[in-house]
Amino acid sequence: QKEVEQDPGPLSVPEGAIVSLNCTYSNSAFQYFMWYRQYSRKGPELLMYTYSSGNKEDGRFTAQVDKSSKYISLFIRDSQPSDSATYLCAMSGPGGYNKLIFGAGTRLAVHP
Amino acid sequence: EAGVTQFPSHSVIEKGQTVTLRCDPISGHDNLYWYRRVMGKEIKFLLHFVKESKQDESGMPNNRFLAERTGGTYSTLKVQPAELEDSGVYFCASRPSGGPYEQYFGPGTRLTVT
Repeated sequence: QKEVEQDPGPLSVPEGAIVSLNCTYSNSAFQYFMWYRQYSRKGPELLMYTYSSGNKEDGRFTAQVDKSSKYISLFIRDSQPSDSATYLCAMSGPGGYNKLIFGAGTRLAVHP
Repeated sequence: EAGVTQFPSHSVIEKGQTVTLRCDPISGHDNLYWYRRVMGKEIKFLLHFVKESKQDESGMPNNRFLAERTGGTYSTLKVQPAELEDSGVYFCASRPSGGPYEQYFGPGTRLTVT
């Protein structure tokens, strides 16, 4: 069983839609939860970072962590064609400086 | 400020040959990580340097892979001899000591072993 499960998609939505991306995990030791965005032929770029449970909002992006369910989400409001990319969830254990454990990534396409 | 750079961007080699990948982290970042993504799989951790010391090399697949970070600046990852299953994208990331915990990724080196 993978430590982090993420539906690879692809997910196709119209411009302006609300997008919901999710990951589940099995390791209860994970404390740091991140969402990375990766454009084609580029490296992952950090979008959101959350410590432990709770919500965090940054502009059109909201990250949610539910440690009791081992479930994290990323919501994108008013999606734009420029949001078309692969979204990767990643997690790490205590300390935050540890290795990142990634999900497979979800390919998102936002069409005009 | 320059980001993490990796060289080459793409390498095509034959099975049995040797390849060396290079990563230049962001200046002043003591922590340097190597990850790789093979076809259809998730990005997986290979190893972590703190300055010139290997902090965690639990993800290195076998002894055909050798990572070095002499002087605590740039790092190299050598694959010798390369096998077909080594094909994939190799990412380097760096992070400063202390918080925040964001790892800054390079663009990756795409390795193709034929």
